Amino acid sequence: QQQVKQSPQSLIVQKGGISIINCAYENTAFDYFPWYQQFPGKGPALLIAIRPDVSEKKEGRFTISFNKSAKQFSLHIMDSQPGDSATYFCAASPADKLIFGTGTRLQVFP
Amino acid sequence: KAGVTQTPRYLIKTRGQQVTLSCSPISGHRSVSWYQQTPGQGLQFLFEYFSETQRNKGNFPGRFSGRQFSNSRSEMNVSTLELGDSALYLCASSYDGYYEQYFGPGTRLTVT
Repeated sequence: QQQVKQSPQSLIVQKGGISIINCAYENTAFDYFPWYQQFPGKGPALLIAIRPDVSEKKEGRFTISFNKSAKQFSLHIMDSQPGDSATYFCAASPADKLIFGTGTRLQVFP
Repeated sequence: KAGVTQTPRYLIKTRGQQVTLSCSPISGHRSVSWYQQTPGQGLQFLFEYFSETQRNKGNFPGRFSGRQFSNSRSEMNVSTLELGDSALYLCASSYDGYYEQYFGPGTRLTVT
């Protein structure tokens, strides 16, 4: 299975809150899991990525949690800010291409 | 380092025409991948070039083709345009493969 399922489709969070976006995959050949952030009119920007040999990776306010046995990974945005309002895509790579989730539109209100 | 650049940024073409899009990768990157982004289908992989060779191809018809030059710059061509080809076409570069791909701003193609 080459799909990556992403939820929720949209998310509304208060400023200072935690935003959580989840993704699930089925293909155990996937070995690289990046998250991208896209603003309107721009290309996706690489935020953070993880390999399956670690369960968590943190960069600033962004954390990826990875559960290999459940084949799930999630993005946590701590202290969410209005400037974080964008569409977020998870992706997975079986080492020959990136397969993207369907995206989550995040809105952070002051 | 300069980022990935794509030209043109916007294009309007008529059904049946052909179009060529250009991508200049980050200096030192040898891999260029192309993606199509639409509201209905999301981000879909078109193909990837490495050292002037196509290494991988997605599930798109043969009307979609590409090439890569010795300086790693890449072009994508779509022939016999259809209305459904209207999309944002994104290219991404990476040093030597599919990891850490950096995207350009995209070319917005509208087919009328």
